[in-house]
Amino acid sequence: QVQLQESGPGLVKPSQTLSLTCTVSGGSISGGGYYWSWIRQHPGKGLEWIGYIYSSGTTYCNPSLKSRVTISVDTSRNQFSLKLSSVTAADTAVFYCARADYDESSHYFDYWGQGTLVTVSS
Amino acid sequence: SYELTQPPSVSVSPGQTASITCSGDKLGDKYACWYQQKPGQSPILVIYQNNKRPSGIPERFSGSNSGNTATLTISGTQAMDEADYYCQAWDTRTVVFGGGTKLTVL
Repeated sequence: QVQLQESGPGLVKPSQTLSLTCTVSGGSISGGGYYWSWIRQHPGKGLEWIGYIYSSGTTYCNPSLKSRVTISVDTSRNQFSLKLSSVTAADTAVFYCARADYDESSHYFDYWGQGTLVTVSS
Repeated sequence: SYELTQPPSVSVSPGQTASITCSGDKLGDKYACWYQQKPGQSPILVIYQNNKRPSGIPERFSGSNSGNTATLTISGTQAMDEADYYCQAWDTRTVVFGGGTKLTVL
């Protein structure tokens, strides 16, 4: 059973960089076949895709966030990470990491982490 | 950019059939999937590739996708099905979520 666990600071100051890590257990990132993803949910709002990364390092990001987002992978630790720069209060959200299975034009998230709330405040 | 539109809320009586729609331009030409999210919990995949159920998802959950609309149908709705539901599709290397529908069972 694949499990994902987010970790990182729960409080980030405005203008700083938000950094989160997702640790995967029960499956190997380096094995390929999946995209490893970040998704956020503003308080009381819907889901917003941030981006994802393949084991090779190939990334795809939400165009609306692309200029501020860096996603990286560490296959030796079976982890992948998110950096979101120049944060503001509008970036306060629950951040989820998830595994995306895919097949041609079908991409869907079959395993999710529990989510971590990140608050941007001074 | 591609957009998916869902009704903000749907109500259903216990035991009845609930239908939640998701609209997008030529959505039927893409694959749609659906997630259930209960308060304080992570989303759970309930339908993928338009009409496939992951292991462990009850048979009362089904999906369809044609034209501009994908539909999640819950037959014999139970109180435990009360949740937010999100549709999702993939378009030109971008994942798109619908705004979500709150299903109330009353």
